[in-house]
Amino acid sequence: NAGVTQTPKFQVLKTGQSMTLQCAQDMNHNSMYWYRQDPGMGLRLIYYSASEGTTDKGEVPNGYNVSRLNKREFSLRLESAAPSQTSVYFCASSEMLGTEAFFGQGTRLTVV
Amino acid sequence: DQQVKQNSPSLSVQEGRISILNCDYTNSMFDYFLWYKKYPAEGPTFLISISSIKDKNEDGRFTVFLNKSAKHLSLHIVPSQPGDSAVYFCAAYTPNTGNQFYFGTGTSLTVIP
Repeated sequence: NAGVTQTPKFQVLKTGQSMTLQCAQDMNHNSMYWYRQDPGMGLRLIYYSASEGTTDKGEVPNGYNVSRLNKREFSLRLESAAPSQTSVYFCASSEMLGTEAFFGQGTRLTVV
Repeated sequence: DQQVKQNSPSLSVQEGRISILNCDYTNSMFDYFLWYKKYPAEGPTFLISISSIKDKNEDGRFTVFLNKSAKHLSLHIVPSQPGDSAVYFCAAYTPNTGNQFYFGTGTSLTVIP
């Protein structure tokens, strides 16, 4: 019973490099989310997908793109990484919008 | 602009005593509230929730209280156990503001054996 699986767990990027964070859930949830957690800031929503085929911006979408590949998978792409994107990224899923979410273990990303 | 605030970054409590974690919010349209618990190097896990039509919800040792007029909710843990040591986040939701949960900054609870 894996729940929400994120890869990679750790990543170091140079400024300007690109990368994709992968997320998959096995709970047949409709909604999926990407959050970032920064010291003193709590969790902030980057993008979400209410259901397969839809994506919407959250609170802090600039510098990111997402793809809801299918019902299980939701990826987050950084096209040109910046030091301000150094953070811990969490993927989450829920049965539908507005219900409790299940989180992955997080990806610690450092941009140098 | 932080819509959900947890003004105590940390809290220490003796094992067996009550832990009270507080959360304030500014948006009166929030109608659903959650508490999450987070251990280091893990993702947050859902703990307990409350709808705005209630003022209390209980689940074992955990009770959440909601005071809508004060825009305040609290999480009570009784009795506190060393395994409760973690960071606790409150989160608030309304479908009227971007379909997202707004999270507080977290309170780090340490339960001293």
